[in-house]
Amino acid sequence: GQQLNQSPQSMFIQEGEDVSMNCTSSSIFNTWLWYKQEPGEGPVLLIALYKAGELTSNGRLTAQFGITRKDSFLNISASIPSDVGIYFCAGHYNTDKLIFGTGTRLQVFP
Amino acid sequence: DAGVIQSPRHEVTEMGQEVTLRCKPISGHDYLFWYRQTMMRGLELLIYFNNNVPIDDSGMPEDRFSAKMPNASFSTLKIQPSEPRDSAVYFCASSFFSGYYGYTFGSGTRLTVV
Repeated sequence: GQQLNQSPQSMFIQEGEDVSMNCTSSSIFNTWLWYKQEPGEGPVLLIALYKAGELTSNGRLTAQFGITRKDSFLNISASIPSDVGIYFCAGHYNTDKLIFGTGTRLQVFP
Repeated sequence: DAGVIQSPRHEVTEMGQEVTLRCKPISGHDYLFWYRQTMMRGLELLIYFNNNVPIDDSGMPEDRFSAKMPNASFSTLKIQPSEPRDSAVYFCASSFFSGYYGYTFGSGTRLTVV
């Protein structure tokens, strides 16, 4: 099935560093969502974006809905060890289902 | 709200055996999705239901897989006969109003077929 391209595939960073990841699509979306999956658990919704150009924050997380509607970005500031996990983007456009990204695996070292 | 509840959390079975995975969606959600996650293929949508009716099962790998949703509060994913390549984490997710507001995922069932 269709998947969105996420980059980078994985990141190994030191505690306190900022993190940036992005998600791109060949199709436009009306909704962009960002999920985090911790080991042994299902993905959990972090941020939802509904308008092109929208910038939304959730604590140290900030996400943006790209102006072209074909991409989205997630930034994490001042990373901490509990940020470890896999981050997924997902897009939605007038269909029943979300299209998920391939995931960015984040590892944070103290 | 208890969230999406999946059982069992872990299942180890022998090749050739039947496996049944269970899911209770969030009350009031009208969509239910079954996903499979592996390192190689990531998150794969297997099948989804709207108001208990299967809408798209094009992701079901083969006839060995079947899914049912007899009522709004229960769904099953069955594999018969199971094979080692079916080993993966299977997630159930539910949502209100398709994917617009996102899905709520269960904690998953880790299936190992030996």
